[in-house]
Amino acid sequence: NAGVTQTPKFQVLKTGQSMTLQCAQDMNHNSMYWYRQDPGMGLRLIYYSASEGTTDKGEVPNGYNVSRLNKREFSLRLESAAPSQTSVYFCAGGGIFYEQYFGPGTRLTVT
Amino acid sequence: GESVGLHLPTLSVQEGDNSIINCAYSNSASDYFIWYKQESGKGPQFIIDIRSNMDKRQGQRVTVLLNKTVKHLSLQIAATQPGDSAVYFCAESPYSGGGADGLTFGKGTHLIIQP
Repeated sequence: NAGVTQTPKFQVLKTGQSMTLQCAQDMNHNSMYWYRQDPGMGLRLIYYSASEGTTDKGEVPNGYNVSRLNKREFSLRLESAAPSQTSVYFCAGGGIFYEQYFGPGTRLTVT
Repeated sequence: GESVGLHLPTLSVQEGDNSIINCAYSNSASDYFIWYKQESGKGPQFIIDIRSNMDKRQGQRVTVLLNKTVKHLSLQIAATQPGDSAVYFCAESPYSGGGADGLTFGKGTHLIIQP
């Protein structure tokens, strides 16, 4: 039981490049989330998926898109990366009371 | 906008002492609160949660206190150990049962353990 897994662990992009961050959970969670964490800051919600087949914007959705591929997988896509998107990205799955369980993170640098 | 915050960015305690980490929230509709621990280079780890119909909840070596009158949340760690060194975040949701649309996080308190 791996919990929540994320790939890749590290990524460096040039401005304008695109990439997809992958997230998978084996905890049978209905809800899944993508957050970003910047230095000295708490986590800010980018997008979430309350259940398979639905996605909704969070606090900071601009520049991102998501896909809830199935119940297990929730991906985050940067279509045209910008330096302001340099951050650590965390995926989480929501438990029965929506307490969230986080993956190890993807450290993204955009130059 | 409304947010969840913490009083101190850094808290230094002696090993073996009790630690108290505080959090003030501004959304009076908040109904569900969680404390997370984040070690360096890792994702946040769920520690303990509490609903607004409770004022205290205990776990293993941790206790969360909720004072809705002054919108204050605290995490108490008994007999602090070196492994407790981390950043601690409080998070809240206005929805009973948590709600599917995410949590609002505070900025975090870095707990430093002095030998």
